[in-house]
Amino acid sequence: DAGVTQSPTHLIKTRGQQVTLRCSPKSGHDTVSWYQQALGQGPQFIFQYYEEEERQRGNFPDRFSGHQFPNYSSELNVNALLLGDSALYLCASSLGGLAGGQDTQYFGPGTRLTVL
Amino acid sequence: GENVEQHPSTLSVQEGDSAVIKCTYSDSASNYFPWYKQELGKRPQLIIDIRSNVGEKKDQRIAVTLNKTAKHFSLHITETQPEDSAVYFCAAYGDPGTASKLTFGTGTRLQVTL
Repeated sequence: DAGVTQSPTHLIKTRGQQVTLRCSPKSGHDTVSWYQQALGQGPQFIFQYYEEEERQRGNFPDRFSGHQFPNYSSELNVNALLLGDSALYLCASSLGGLAGGQDTQYFGPGTRLTVL
Repeated sequence: GENVEQHPSTLSVQEGDSAVIKCTYSDSASNYFPWYKQELGKRPQLIIDIRSNVGEKKDQRIAVTLNKTAKHFSLHITETQPEDSAVYFCAAYGDPGTASKLTFGTGTRLQVTL
């Protein structure tokens, strides 16, 4: 049973560039949530995708956008990168979206983004 | 929105002793409270969770208690071992019908010494 996977593992970008991160959910899961974890901090919720739609969003600017594909995998896009975007980006998968179902979230290994 | 506070930020215990980490939350609609363990450079791993319809849950050396009236929940680790050393995060998840998202505490770095 495959767990949550993410790619790439590490990424280095410069300010102003754009980046795309990818996530494949745990087998049987249909919901993907994205989190940003700065060094020494807890994960901060970015947004959640269910049925290919953004269903909930945290306090992140529009530079952060995403997509979910019919196979439930998801992408996180960040435009106009800032130094402060350097962090570990985690995705978590669960079942059932927001309207019930299981809300237990399982995390992927993360993508370490460094913005220079 | 939901706010989760976690204490202490660091905790050092001797092997075999117990460790307790406490969290408070602000949104009375929150109904699901997971705990995650994160080792250095690795993903957060779910170690135990509790839902609002129970007051306590135990899994071997790990237990979680929930007091909905006071809006706080705690993680208890007994007979600590060196491999328990990690950062532990509590989190709260709200009512699916409202602004539902997983809000994390700031983490507790647990060090188990020999």
